Amino acid sequence: AQKITQTQPGMFVQEKEAVTLDCTYDTSDPSYGLFWYKQPSSGEMIFLIYQGSYDQQNATEGRYSLNFQKARKSANLVISASQLGDSAMYFCAMREGYTTDSWGKFQFGAGTQVVVTP
Amino acid sequence: DVKVTQSSRYLVKRTGEKVFLECVQDMDHENMFWYRQDPGLGLRLIYFSYDVKMKEKGDIPEGYSVSREKKERFSLILESASTNQTSMYLCASSFEGRGNQPQHFGDGTRLSIL
Repeated sequence: AQKITQTQPGMFVQEKEAVTLDCTYDTSDPSYGLFWYKQPSSGEMIFLIYQGSYDQQNATEGRYSLNFQKARKSANLVISASQLGDSAMYFCAMREGYTTDSWGKFQFGAGTQVVVTP
Repeated sequence: DVKVTQSSRYLVKRTGEKVFLECVQDMDHENMFWYRQDPGLGLRLIYFSYDVKMKEKGDIPEGYSVSREKKERFSLILESASTNQTSMYLCASSFEGRGNQPQHFGDGTRLSIL
């Protein structure tokens, strides 16, 4: 079963606007971590931001913030003030805890392609 | 900065060949991973290694094997390459730590099997 769902295959956003990328996850483990990665057209995967299941506050890293709604099992990435260099594929990933069969492994969503227009 | 190096950026091989993809990391990470990436499918885990000589199957291990003889090196082997193994292959490593450690990725190998 799909553990990470990214429902937006692609989206356009205008420069300087904010964009929200959706991510929902499925786990019964109380201990897990959520990660967002960026993949530009050159192919490298760049780690952006992390949210732990026990973290009380939403994670922020510069222009990136994570809207973590634990009860909804949602971990949306918000990019503020979009720049042309933000055009890329964005992946949401989850790592479950040691109580699960999948411990140690990262589960990835299918990704959302973001195109920032001038 | 963590450096994960994949041996080839682009590779073209023929059906039936034995193919080796090499990955080296320089940060003494315990965990290493091999993924394949196909459009619309995201990253799918092929194999995972949490220590030297230790490995676990991922979601799509069929047709692949791995080797981890040294901590810094994790090799992916296509025993007899087939056209459906044409894909982008990504290697990653991570520190075990408290589970909040992200993966660090190599630049990927675009493999074409003709």
